[in-house]
Amino acid sequence: SAVISQKPSRDICQRGTSLTIQCQVDSQVTMMFWYRQQPGQSLTLIATANQGSEATYESGFVIDKFPISRPNLTFSTLTVSNMSPEDSSIYLCSIGQGGEKLFFGSGTQLSVL
Amino acid sequence: KQEVTQIPAALSVPEGENLVLNCSFTDSAIYNLQWFRQDPGKGLTSLLLIQSSQREQTSGRLNASLDKSSGRSTLYIAASQPGDSATYLCAGANAGGTSYGKLTFGQGTILTVHP
Repeated sequence: SAVISQKPSRDICQRGTSLTIQCQVDSQVTMMFWYRQQPGQSLTLIATANQGSEATYESGFVIDKFPISRPNLTFSTLTVSNMSPEDSSIYLCSIGQGGEKLFFGSGTQLSVL
Repeated sequence: KQEVTQIPAALSVPEGENLVLNCSFTDSAIYNLQWFRQDPGKGLTSLLLIQSSQREQTSGRLNASLDKSSGRSTLYIAASQPGDSATYLCAGANAGGTSYGKLTFGQGTILTVHP
């Protein structure tokens, strides 16, 4: 399966700032997905990132808060904007490969003070 | 709207035991169901994927079953080892195509296998 590298692995940020999370895949993939896991909660899909088009956001998530870039078939970024303590979560990128299995990066542990 | 529930929330067993993790879902029109393990700092690892047309999948000591009519899936782990200690998540997809990648996750079962 593809190798998914996610950076940073963790960060501590101040309220009101923004953080950009990078996801690099070692092979070309059509669809990439961004998930959030809040403390003690399960994973929730934020958006689907397609190359060459705008990301598709799930209910409750908006582009102004979570802008996504997908410049090519191996790379995507998720920005968490104007952060508040409620944004403290693990953010994970994922890809589909080999049928409909999803594979995940190692995640970014974000803490907002 | 699909909802996924996992019980128990936590399980502690001695090494060598066989164990079963349970997952239930509300919408029987499930497209496929996937089991993952989550290790701290390592993201999620895909274990098994069961399509809606299948009843079970096996990989090594792991066996996952799917019963759409009852809305249940189980993950059976044989001869458990301390290295199996992790959080196990099940996730359902309600469609392929444009809904591909939209998984509904359960909250997980934290498994501890002690020597």
